Amino acid sequence: DVVMTQSPLSLSVTLGQAASISCRSSQSLVYSDGNTYLNWFQQRPGQSPKRLIYEVSNRDSGVPDRFSGSGSGSEFSLKISRVEAEDVGVYYCSQGAHWPRTFGQGTKVEIK
Amino acid sequence: EVQLVQSGAEVKKPGESLTISCRASGYTFTNHWIAWVRQTPGNGLEWVAIVNPSDSVTVYSPSFEGRVRISADKSIATAFLHWSSLRAADTAMYYCARKGQFDYWGLGTLVTVSS
Repeated sequence: DVVMTQSPLSLSVTLGQAASISCRSSQSLVYSDGNTYLNWFQQRPGQSPKRLIYEVSNRDSGVPDRFSGSGSGSEFSLKISRVEAEDVGVYYCSQGAHWPRTFGQGTKVEIK
Repeated sequence: EVQLVQSGAEVKKPGESLTISCRASGYTFTNHWIAWVRQTPGNGLEWVAIVNPSDSVTVYSPSFEGRVRISADKSIATAFLHWSSLRAADTAMYYCARKGQFDYWGLGTLVTVSS
C-alpha cells in the first residue's frame, strides 16, 4: 500500500496568518495518464470530509482561493494563506493513483 | 446539485448482519463509481471498497475484502455496503463518496456493534 505521511499532525495558527501542511507519499503519484492524483480534504468538526484540492493544485468549486496546493512526484503541500475561524478542522491528503486508496493521518488545525 | 444521502445510524449485536445504503442524485448514477470510506478515532480515514454502478465491477481494499460486500442498484441510484456477520471492530462512521477521487461525500452512517 502507498503510505501517506502528513506533517505536522497538529497546527495552532493565529487568525490571518498562513498555515502549511506537508504530505509525502511512499510511491510516486504520477499515473499512467500523466496526471498526479493527490487530493486534499477538509473535515470540520462534526461534518463529513469535503474535497478542497484535486490533482495536486486544482481547487474544487466554491473553495476559497486562500487554499492552494502544490508539489510533484511524492512531495506535496497545502497552504492556507490567511487562516479564518471557519478553517478549523482536520485536513487529510489522499492518493488516487494506486489501489488501495490511502489517506494521510490528518493534520488538526486550530486557532491560537 | 450532487447529493449522496445515506441511511440512518444502526446499533447491532456481534454476529448480526447489516446493510447500509447511499442514494445518489443530481448526476447520472452510472457515470461514476461509488466508494465507501470508514472513519474511526484510532485509524482515521480508510478506503473500504468501490463499485461501478454501470456494470457492478468492484474493487476492495485488502483490509476489508471478505468482510464486507459492496453493491449498487442502478434502477434506484443506490449503493450498498453489507456485512453478513458484524464484529465489535466494525464500529465506525461509514461514508459513501463519489469516484475514486472522492469528490462528493455523504453525511455518514454511524454503525455501532455492541453486545
